[in-house]
Amino acid sequence: GENVEQHPSTLSVQEGDSAVIKCTYSDSASNYFPWYKQELGKRPQLIIDIRSNVGEKKDQRIAVTLNKTAKHFSLHITETQPEDSAVYFCAATGASGGSYIPTFGRGTSLIVHP
Amino acid sequence: DGGITQSPKYLFRKEGQNVTLSCEQNLNHDAMYWYRQDPGQGLRLIYYSQIVNDFQKGDIAEGYSVSREKKESFPLTVTSAQKNPTAFYLCASSIWPNGAKNIQYFGAGTRLSVL
Repeated sequence: GENVEQHPSTLSVQEGDSAVIKCTYSDSASNYFPWYKQELGKRPQLIIDIRSNVGEKKDQRIAVTLNKTAKHFSLHITETQPEDSAVYFCAATGASGGSYIPTFGRGTSLIVHP
Repeated sequence: DGGITQSPKYLFRKEGQNVTLSCEQNLNHDAMYWYRQDPGQGLRLIYYSQIVNDFQKGDIAEGYSVSREKKESFPLTVTSAQKNPTAFYLCASSIWPNGAKNIQYFGAGTRLSVL
């Protein structure tokens, strides 16, 4: 089955800095890679995703890059703000076993200091 | 915060007791899921259901049971066989099938503690 590694587990930055979270996956059949944000005490919500036929996708201050050959993808947040503080989860989804169930990374706790 | 409703928000279990966590969705989604969230462990899949009256074990199904009698409802029972049930439980739903683009819509979670 799929295995997703996510690093770092904790990331502390100053407001205005950039933050990068990296994930690697093991199953070359995975072809959809979403990122979820979970603010303290709230439910995880999708913030950005990328398909395997695309190398990069941007949405305002966040971007995701994918390197299919190396089997890794990253979340980039520029000009971080205190409201970006949250736990971020990456996931990889493919047709392994005929089901499209996402496999999640362990999460990164991002702390943005004002 | 509509869409998926989990109840209760907090639940306490006594030794040897079975407890049931409720999950209801009004998104008309075919698929529903249960995840367990522990600090530093990410989201681990307990059970999922693609259609009514059918469900599949996830990675950590031991000590848990589910039912899917209605499209809208997917309750999770934590049995006495689950020796370490203290965790945050998240229910999710998605459109099925939708290829690999399986976007998960989560409930607000139930925090289960052992007395």
